[in-house]
Amino acid sequence: ILNVEQSPQSLHVQEGDSTNFTCSFPSSNFYALHWYRWETAKSPEALFVMTLNGDEKKKGRISATLNTKEGYSYLYIKGSQPEDSATYLCAFPRYSGGGADGLTFGKGTHLIIQP
Amino acid sequence: NAGVTQTPKFQVLKTGQSMTLQCAQDMNHEYMSWYRQDPGMGLRLIHYSVGAGITDQGEVPNGYNVSRSTTEDFPLRLLSAAPSQTSVYFCASSPGTPRTGELFFGEGSRLTVL
Repeated sequence: ILNVEQSPQSLHVQEGDSTNFTCSFPSSNFYALHWYRWETAKSPEALFVMTLNGDEKKKGRISATLNTKEGYSYLYIKGSQPEDSATYLCAFPRYSGGGADGLTFGKGTHLIIQP
Repeated sequence: NAGVTQTPKFQVLKTGQSMTLQCAQDMNHEYMSWYRQDPGMGLRLIHYSVGAGITDQGEVPNGYNVSRSTTEDFPLRLLSAAPSQTSVYFCASSPGTPRTGELFFGEGSRLTVL
């Protein structure tokens, strides 16, 4: 059974400040690491799918890094805005020994941006 | 763009009743899956399918049945509802597999079993 751990569980940040949070995952049998953004009353939306050690991806003010050898990924938000308030999920493909299976999700980091 | 469509959005059942949650996608994705979301827990995989006629169990399959007769549709059946199945259910599809491609989620179906 895989464990995907996210920290912190929740985070309050002042508007305009930058922030980051962590996803830890098993470093063996690595295939990919997913990040999703989940706004209240909506469905999760993909931010990044990262596959290479040392990979860094960016979408607007949000970026992510990946370290597969030590089993962690950081998500950074620069200059937080109220619309960044959401739960950020990371997920790791379930190892089934065969082909496609699904994702094991962390419990998420709940980010609240205070004006 | 419809994307992934789930129906119903809300449903209340009595213990022992059966029902089907519908999921349809118009993106021609081969991979489809069902997850449940419970308080204090991450999304958990119930069943998945890699194409029409092919389904398999995920992490928490007991009490649920699936079939995949077309690429577009992946219904989830509750055979005899139990209070433990009270949850929010999400259908998700992918152009690849979870090892290569992102998931596209439906808006969720909130189920309450009394």
